Amino acid sequence: DAGITQSPRYKITETGRQVTLMCHQTWSHSYMFWYRQDLGHGLRLIYYSAAADITDKGEVPDGYVVSRSKTENFPLTLESATRSQTSVYFCASSETGVSSYNEQFFGPGTRLTVL
Amino acid sequence: QQQVKQSPQSLIVQKGGISIINCAYENTAFDYFPWYQQFPGKGPALLIAIRPDVSEKKEGRFTISFNKSAKQFSLHIMDSQPGDSATYFCAAKYGGYSTLTFGKGTMLLVSP
Repeated sequence: DAGITQSPRYKITETGRQVTLMCHQTWSHSYMFWYRQDLGHGLRLIYYSAAADITDKGEVPDGYVVSRSKTENFPLTLESATRSQTSVYFCASSETGVSSYNEQFFGPGTRLTVL
Repeated sequence: QQQVKQSPQSLIVQKGGISIINCAYENTAFDYFPWYQQFPGKGPALLIAIRPDVSEKKEGRFTISFNKSAKQFSLHIMDSQPGDSATYFCAAKYGGYSTLTFGKGTMLLVSP
């Protein structure tokens, strides 16, 4: 299916465990993003990537690790999950361009609960 | 430092009424202002966007008004419908910079 997908859609884990959230897009978009959404905070950027093997920190990167070995995949890893990382995580992608007025397309989200 | 301030946090409007959501920004380098709409259980999706060279953009019942001198922009939803009930996010970005700065969102409920 074309588009952007996230897996799993729901995840319950325990404090201290490692968790990886997957994101896959079929458009060959250069840019990919990870956001977390929390009530009262809106959407906050965790990490983003301009291309394969190029990543950069966003507003709230602590406790998260990303990689991008292939253009279409952008996994997000919580190396040692904490309760404060309970959230809904959204992956997004966009085309690149000098003007960069390009729409970001969001995935359906992963609801993560850390017990 | 929050660079895009959105208000109100929540809004209840009667069917057929006008919904108005406001955003203010600080960074004068911002030059692209999109609004995203998010339904429960879904990811946000682009609704409408404006650049600061125009003061208003209209798409159907949705209008963005932009005031560059006041560093404010707003979303107006005319003839609001129950199907418009969603969370709305304003955002901003500048130049070749690729990331969006989002407001905290407004939960809109349109009552039948």
